[in-house]
Amino acid sequence: DAKTTQPTSMDCAEGRAANLPCNHSTISGNEYVYWYRQIHSQGPQYIIHGLKNNETNEMASLIITEDRKSSTLILPHATLRDTAVYYCIVRVKAGTASKLTFGTGTRLQVTL
Amino acid sequence: DTGVSQDPRHKITKRGQNVTFRCDPISEHNRLYWYRQTLGQGPEFLTYFQNEAQLEKSRLLSDRFSAERPKGSFSTLEIQRTEQGDSAMYLCASSLEVSGRSHEQYFGPGTRLTVT
Repeated sequence: DAKTTQPTSMDCAEGRAANLPCNHSTISGNEYVYWYRQIHSQGPQYIIHGLKNNETNEMASLIITEDRKSSTLILPHATLRDTAVYYCIVRVKAGTASKLTFGTGTRLQVTL
Repeated sequence: DTGVSQDPRHKITKRGQNVTFRCDPISEHNRLYWYRQTLGQGPEFLTYFQNEAQLEKSRLLSDRFSAERPKGSFSTLEIQRTEQGDSAMYLCASSLEVSGRSHEQYFGPGTRLTVT
């Protein structure tokens, strides 16, 4: 699986959009970009994933650059409950190589 | 609540003792994963099952560790002769694999092991 690079930490004011970047310059053509988050003392939670098109769901939006070497997770209106560690992971979707390889993620602190 | 449960949530044991953790996945999920997470790090893959078959084991899974999923439903992870370095959060996840395509993994709350 391709390696990802994320900032160690970020702050965001409540109600504002949180934009979390991820670099994955060695991503292969068959690898998807996944985002998970982990709230303190809980297991990781799936947020969203995409291949090359931008994706949106009820939790977030995922913007992937045209060359697929980087992406941004957007939480449109961050709340205090969004304070968590956010992990960007790239992996193939098919076959047996479906394990997730986590880095150290970005610690997002949402403040009043 | 993701639908994946783990038991116990916390375990304190003395060095040298054996411990066993249980994971109950989402019922229709055919894949089950175990991960380990130490303080300040992201989860690390240990092993996974497709139904009852254990298909991959990480180098992190020493011979003191054994995992089973006897009927393709719940799974157990046993650690024999625990060491202080085994102290960590043990996470279980499950997912659905259909026609060679893996869907999202759903994680349980984890079992926090402390070896004294």
